[in-house]
Amino acid sequence: ETGVTQSPTHLIKTRGQQVTLRCSSQSGHNTVSWYQQALGQGPQFIFQYYREEENGRGNFPPRFSGLQFPNYSSELNVNALELDDSALYLCASSLPSGATDTQYFGPGTRLTVL
Amino acid sequence: RKEVEQDPGPFNVPEGATVAFNCTYSNSASQSFFWYRQDCRKEPKLLMSVYSSGNEDGRFTAQLNRASQYISLLIRDSKLSDSATYLCVVKLHSGNTPLVFGKGTRLSVIA
Repeated sequence: ETGVTQSPTHLIKTRGQQVTLRCSSQSGHNTVSWYQQALGQGPQFIFQYYREEENGRGNFPPRFSGLQFPNYSSELNVNALELDDSALYLCASSLPSGATDTQYFGPGTRLTVL
Repeated sequence: RKEVEQDPGPFNVPEGATVAFNCTYSNSASQSFFWYRQDCRKEPKLLMSVYSSGNEDGRFTAQLNRASQYISLLIRDSKLSDSATYLCVVKLHSGNTPLVFGKGTRLSVIA
């Protein structure tokens, strides 16, 4: 196991609602990246947090937002949910910049928007 | 053009077969390359990094051709347990930069 945990494992919401997903990084990892994986697609980068600051963002609208806490755990918030937001949301933690390329993924949260 | 493109698959092969996956990437400045494996409804897991000199891990061999912007993965003596989706992954820089994934190629190894 990678030591990265996510909660909840599954979630069902309706259009227009808001959702918060949580991620606890592997011990010692201060960087968390979030990815969205739609059915049949590869994961797409949403954003990354490094030492509590956003450190890069993919092509996602502002209704996707995040936080990182002093213990390096992280949240992904999505407002005004749309049907296309249905996907597996993955977080990945990694070691300090420059030390390694490896990102370790959590088991994901499967979000269904009805 | 997509940043990372893979064989569409699916690949259905008998046990013991050798199977090769191909991948191309569009950004010539990319620095790091990987193959990840993803089982159904699970998270991606790093299978192996890919180096310019080529590298091997047991039955798995990865190759990188920077001039052609091409990455490959060869699986020899396929096992039933190799059935999964194989994701080609590229990073622009080393360190904490995002992974760029291909769509994945599904492999089914049949008894």
